[in-house]
Amino acid sequence: SQQGEEDPQALSIQEGENATMNCSYKTSINNLQWYRQNSGRGLVHLILIRSNEREKHSGRLRVTLDTSKKSSSLLITASRAADTASYFCATVPLSSNTGKLIFGQGTTLQVKP
Amino acid sequence: KAGVTQTPRYLIKTRGQQVTLSCSPISGHRSVSWYQQTPGQGLQFLFEYFSETQRNKGNFPGRFSGRQFSNSRSEMNVSTLELGDSALYLCASSLEGRGTSETQYFGPGTRLLVL
Repeated sequence: SQQGEEDPQALSIQEGENATMNCSYKTSINNLQWYRQNSGRGLVHLILIRSNEREKHSGRLRVTLDTSKKSSSLLITASRAADTASYFCATVPLSSNTGKLIFGQGTTLQVKP
Repeated sequence: KAGVTQTPRYLIKTRGQQVTLSCSPISGHRSVSWYQQTPGQGLQFLFEYFSETQRNKGNFPGRFSGRQFSNSRSEMNVSTLELGDSALYLCASSLEGRGTSETQYFGPGTRLLVL
């Protein structure tokens, strides 16, 4: 079963604008990861944030984590047409130290040139 | 370093047949996980292998099985295919499969269509 839900399910913006995606999850976690998927291809790892971290940056990406609300957000600044993709959050449950990831349903982002 | 490779990339089968998918992890990675992605159910964990042993299993019927070889390459098999098995099957590898700290690297997937 899915661990989390993502909001919105779909997002359409103009190039240069910022895009924010939210992820909520159900159980306590070790870490939360964000992945990107282009047109039904493989997943590309974007960023990992640990449960004791509140915010993390990587290039144009900013991720926040609020463990009290069991939620995370991914902000893409100054978006480009190449950012068009589906974005998934994935969690590693606190009870697990193995390779099992539990994914959210994903947000489909369209960036119009 | 070469990334995770999966073969074949596309596959068409008919109901009742069986299929074997292959995954070669990044060199040095010992953990391989498999996921099924469908429009309706999203990304679902199938199983994880580490050092030739299944360490974790998702909620899938026994028709889905897998194995890992001594070189960490992994195969998954689906027997008695059903229409609902049509999906993108993704393989991911990591060094030790320590979810607390390791990044998982995904292959391009095998798209299976069952007719």
